[in-house]
Amino acid sequence: DSGVTQTPKHLITATGQRVTLRCSPRSGDLSVYWYQQSLDQGLQFLIQYYNGEERAKGNILERFSAQQFPDLHSELNLSSLELGDSALYFCASSPGARVAGELFFGEGSRLTVL
Amino acid sequence: AQSVTQLDSQVPVFEEAPVELRCNYSSSVSVYLFWYVQYPNQGLQLLLKYLSGSTLVKGINGFEAEFNKSQTSFHLRKPSVHISDTAEYFCAVSERGGSEKLVFGKGTKLTVNP
Repeated sequence: DSGVTQTPKHLITATGQRVTLRCSPRSGDLSVYWYQQSLDQGLQFLIQYYNGEERAKGNILERFSAQQFPDLHSELNLSSLELGDSALYFCASSPGARVAGELFFGEGSRLTVL
Repeated sequence: AQSVTQLDSQVPVFEEAPVELRCNYSSSVSVYLFWYVQYPNQGLQLLLKYLSGSTLVKGINGFEAEFNKSQTSFHLRKPSVHISDTAEYFCAVSERGGSEKLVFGKGTKLTVNP
């Protein structure tokens, strides 16, 4: 158990809909990272938040947004969903802002768009 | 921007045989290097990391990796594998002092057969 909690574990929805994925980092970790894992693209970095502020941005679509709240949990919002958004979405956390340390991954939220 | 190439998408081996999973990276600056493992239906877990110092890095579960700057490689090795090592292995790179992105390779599926 990494200490990172993601909900929901599975989500099935239709094209055009909007979903919210939630992540609670390990106790004491200030950074939260979101990754998308799909068969064709592999693991793609989406975005990082550190202590409530956006720290780094990756291949995140404009239809996607994220935020980190004062209690350090994070939410990833996916809107106008397309079939190609079906993937496993991972959240990871780390104590500091820099990646030189270890990232602790949750078990992921599997999104299926029909 | 940094990138990672994992040369083998699948590696089948027999139990107690040695294994090497290959990883090459590309970056214009110095890097940190990581190997993560993903067991079925789980999140990623850190196996080992190279930050600085000795180029031979030892990790958990008997794995080790060697950083070769001239070859821009960070191959993962284990002298004798077990059935329980069956998993997907990801090589990842982060640029020192640069963006905070941890960029992953596409993964190598290691299957250990009895």
